Amino acid sequence: ETGVTQTPRHLVMGMTNKKSLKCEQHLGHNAMYWYKQSAKKPLELMFVYNFKEQTENNSVPSRFSPECPNSSHLFLHLHTLQPEDSALYLCASSQEVGTQYFGPGTRLTVL
Amino acid sequence: QQQVKQSPQSLIVQKGGISIINCAYENTAFDYFPWYQQFPGKGPALLIAIRPDVSEKKEGRFTISFNKSAKQFSLHIMDSQPGDSATYFCAASDPGTYKYIFGTGTRLKVLA
Repeated sequence: ETGVTQTPRHLVMGMTNKKSLKCEQHLGHNAMYWYKQSAKKPLELMFVYNFKEQTENNSVPSRFSPECPNSSHLFLHLHTLQPEDSALYLCASSQEVGTQYFGPGTRLTVL
Repeated sequence: QQQVKQSPQSLIVQKGGISIINCAYENTAFDYFPWYQQFPGKGPALLIAIRPDVSEKKEGRFTISFNKSAKQFSLHIMDSQPGDSATYFCAASDPGTYKYIFGTGTRLKVLA
């Protein structure tokens, strides 16, 4: 997949660790998103950035900290996570409010 | 009012059969309805999408039927193949925002 890439693909971390997820989009889009995907639940929108500015924070706990240095890159900084934060974290991008295109996700396990 | 209800949760279909997945919504302001297909270990990929001014859209073996008055839309997969085995998500776009409201997903298994 060359449209939206995410690294790492898998991450195991302890509750006291600090780690970061990276997303890069090669589609020339201006909006980027973080979603959380848990089993048997709808995709949960976490954050939205449009032209590097955060436009949506869906009541996400402060242990998740997003960063968007430019329209092509998006990070999710993680610290002092809980086991219930284990999930697939998906990045997506779109041109304005158009169709969203997803990356392959990072499978996060918090021990 | 912001929910999108998707059914069934899982579906088993014989090869060559028709797979039908249904979604219902409440917010009549929703203006774009995409379907996504997700294989294990992959992110969701856009399959087909429709706007409410159209009652049906077909792309190959995939068809969306849209019933505006009933506030329902469905995905039909004709001549289902084992390679179609995946999880399918419907979504609705909250107009003028960046929000998609997703259904809970349908796990489809097509038997060879």
